[in-house]
Amino acid sequence: KAGVTQTPRYLIKTRGQQVTLSCSPISGHRSVSWYQQTPGQGLQFLFEYFSETQRNKGNFPGRFSGRQFSNSRSEMNVSTLELGDSALYLCASSIDRASSPLHFGNGTRLTVT
Amino acid sequence: AQSVTQPDIHITVSEGASLELRCNYSYGATPYLFWYVQSPGQGLQLLLKYFSGDTLVQGIKGFEAEFKRSQSSFNLRKPSVHWSDAAEYFCAVGVRAGNQFYFGTGTSLTVIP
Repeated sequence: KAGVTQTPRYLIKTRGQQVTLSCSPISGHRSVSWYQQTPGQGLQFLFEYFSETQRNKGNFPGRFSGRQFSNSRSEMNVSTLELGDSALYLCASSIDRASSPLHFGNGTRLTVT
Repeated sequence: AQSVTQPDIHITVSEGASLELRCNYSYGATPYLFWYVQSPGQGLQLLLKYFSGDTLVQGIKGFEAEFKRSQSSFNLRKPSVHWSDAAEYFCAVGVRAGNQFYFGTGTSLTVIP
């Protein structure tokens, strides 16, 4: 069974631009979560989608948004990029139970210059 | 509020020595507990998980963890560390309500020859 796939692997953008990251979950997984990882802040939860609906949301500004499609694939978008948005963005999928572990992709490394 | 604490930001051990990484959680009921490992530039890989039953759980790569309800702890151990174990380790808690996950801030492991 294929793992969680995130594209692209690396991105370089300039301040003010917007970016879209993509995540394909493991087949059969309907929950997709997004995390931002930075050296100073660790893993920060962005949001979680289930059946095309945002079910949980972290404490990030409205510039960060996401969506989920009917095939469970998910995208996240960051508008008006800031230098502080430089981070590793991780996507994780799971079967919809807290007892089921999250399965992570290898992430998208975003650099904002 | 739920929280996960990993008190050791960084640990250095010699190859062949034993290892114990600490994790404490704050949650009203028995949560679902996980340990993940992250190699540089990669996503998080599940090492092991605890749901119920035997409080000593075995994972991949020779790791084990022990759940101690009285101490609200879930420490990760390995009898003999290999150089390839150098990585970042994250403890996580899964909460039934809202199907949410909470991560510790991570412990960085350095292995010296």
